Amino acid sequence: GAVVSQHPSRVICKSGTSVKIECRSLDFQATTMFWYRQFPKQSLMLMATSNEGSKATYEQGVEKDKFLINHASLTLSTLTVTSAHPEDSSFYICSARTDRMNTEAFFGQGTRLTVV
Amino acid sequence: QKEVEQNSGPLSVPEGAIASLNCTYSDRGSQSFFWYRQYSGKSPELIMSIYSNGDKEDGRFTAQLNKASQYVSLLIRDSQPSDSATYLCAGGDSGYSTLTFGKGTMLLVSP
Repeated sequence: GAVVSQHPSRVICKSGTSVKIECRSLDFQATTMFWYRQFPKQSLMLMATSNEGSKATYEQGVEKDKFLINHASLTLSTLTVTSAHPEDSSFYICSARTDRMNTEAFFGQGTRLTVV
Repeated sequence: QKEVEQNSGPLSVPEGAIASLNCTYSDRGSQSFFWYRQYSGKSPELIMSIYSNGDKEDGRFTAQLNKASQYVSLLIRDSQPSDSATYLCAGGDSGYSTLTFGKGTMLLVSP
């Protein structure tokens, strides 16, 4: 299957700082990328959908000014958690699809964010 | 509102048995269906995709799709303890749209 690389895999930051997470599709052009958050023992929660070159579409309840998403190229999307707080500690996962019909989504390895 | 429903489990099966995981979906427009496996603390990995009615086999895994009943299933033959994970069912259409995920079924395979 296709490879999606997410970096960093683990990050600890101080409350009030910002953290950037990168998601790269290594061997295909990801027209659309998705960002999820997952709390322990809970299901995936879609945060936003981003298409290359356009603004991300955020799910209800997700603060767009806090979770900044940039999808500047067909192989790279970034999620920046601004002014992080302990309640933002979670497992953040990106996934990517191409624009063909019936395509599966491939997931990055995930980033475990801990805000102290 | 597109929905994908799964029993949260856990589904417990002994080693060597067949595990049967089920999923129903609400959107008749969904064209493609996927099963992902997620180990604790890891991101989901794709294990099967199915687009047409009927069965699709890949090794120990068989996916089944019944569009009339809006039902998707995954059978795991000769279950192994290493199969213990949460299995996510997802449905989707074009590549521009997000997949709709179920909440997942936890499978426990006991030695």
